[in-house]
Amino acid sequence: QVQLVESGGGLVKPGGSLRVSCAASGFTFSDYYMSWIRQAPGKGLEWVSYISSSGSTIYYADSVKGRFTISRDNAKNSLYLQMNSLRAEDTAVYYCARDSGSFTFWWYFDLWGRGTLVTVSS
Amino acid sequence: DIQLTQSPSFLSASVGDRVTITCRASQGITSHFAWYQQKPGKAPKLLIYAASTLQSGVPSRFSGSGSGTEFTLTISSLQPEDFATYYCQYLNSFGPGTKVDIK
Repeated sequence: QVQLVESGGGLVKPGGSLRVSCAASGFTFSDYYMSWIRQAPGKGLEWVSYISSSGSTIYYADSVKGRFTISRDNAKNSLYLQMNSLRAEDTAVYYCARDSGSFTFWWYFDLWGRGTLVTVSS
Repeated sequence: DIQLTQSPSFLSASVGDRVTITCRASQGITSHFAWYQQKPGKAPKLLIYAASTLQSGVPSRFSGSGSGTEFTLTISSLQPEDFATYYCQYLNSFGPGTKVDIK
């Protein structure tokens, strides 16, 4: 079925690194822009980054710029988020989300994974 | 970036009630606007996009309207499965959320 499944979350020390992944299935992954969106415990939603269908266009939230890197492997139907120089305030559930428009970015997220929890703590 | 505020932040309602949630933008925006529903421990679900278009599969008791700086989500007759937190969104900004609880 159509789904996104995140993995790779865990506990990491401040200043450390972690890579989370998102496996897509049930749709033509290479047609869609994808985003990472996070939610700190008990808090609201925060958009983190997006990547175009080909991977040629990438944007980041100011809060993660220079520390996080989004990438994708269309052959493997996978989306990644490399997180470096992690801070306590990066602690959150990280969701991957599909944009609703094919080959364009509408900023409407119509398919979400269940999320993976990243905890930054010493 | 555009700042979004939602009101109320919390509301208590009964099954069958008509519920309206308002989202205000810090400046005038286009109707490129969405609403999401999130239940505890679950991912958000897209309800409304383009301010007033119902996402496929979403019950017709949900509706959206608005323009400029003020947008609303209305649930015409609240059902037990509608108790959740609702977020508005414009491009890369999300509102802080409105929790709808059982009275």
